[in-house]
Amino acid sequence: AQTVTQSQPEMSVQEAETVTLSCTYDTSESDYYLFWYKQPPSRQMILVIRQEAYKQQNATENRFSVNFQKAAKSFSLKISDSQLGDAAMYFCAYGRETSGSRLTFGEGTQLTVNP
Amino acid sequence: NAGVMQNPRHLVRRRGQEARLRCSPMKGHSHVYWYRQLPEEGLKFMVYLQKENIIDESGMPKERFSAEFPKEGPSILRIQQVVRGDSAAYFCASSPLDRAYEQYFGPGTRLTVT
Repeated sequence: AQTVTQSQPEMSVQEAETVTLSCTYDTSESDYYLFWYKQPPSRQMILVIRQEAYKQQNATENRFSVNFQKAAKSFSLKISDSQLGDAAMYFCAYGRETSGSRLTFGEGTQLTVNP
Repeated sequence: NAGVMQNPRHLVRRRGQEARLRCSPMKGHSHVYWYRQLPEEGLKFMVYLQKENIIDESGMPKERFSAEFPKEGPSILRIQQVVRGDSAAYFCASSPLDRAYEQYFGPGTRLTVT
């Protein structure tokens, strides 16, 4: 069974600084997807970034980028130029590359952004 | 294109009552997933459905919980005889047929059992 582990229950960062959230996962599959979702106080789940396992290039979405290390089964999220609106719970998730694949989520990292 | 719709947003039930949670997927999406988020935890998969079919219900408790996605209308997650431990946020997600890994989430239904 796939598992996703986020070892940092809480992180904080100063506004305009950079922060990295860690995620490791366990799977025996070779083709899969990894995701970072953001859950602000509204509790809406918002997709931040997606990485396909077959791609060597790390995904980037504006101020958000990932460091995907397939051999180490590591998938960290870097947030550059942190903004107050980035404060939220961040979840790492794993999904298989098959039709109708469930997502397996980590326990989350609560990010605080200090002004 | 409207997003995934869930209603009600908040639902209060007394122990022993039934809870019905509704989810309307995004237009053109044929896959629906239900997840549960207990307080201070991540989301846990419950069930995956396509129109008129339950594809994977391995995450669903064996008793009291059921789900459906009829040919017409929203997907329904039904919890019979609710207990305090059912208090949680229930999220629905949908994905298109050709990109099943791309799941879009609704705002969730927060169920409180008193």
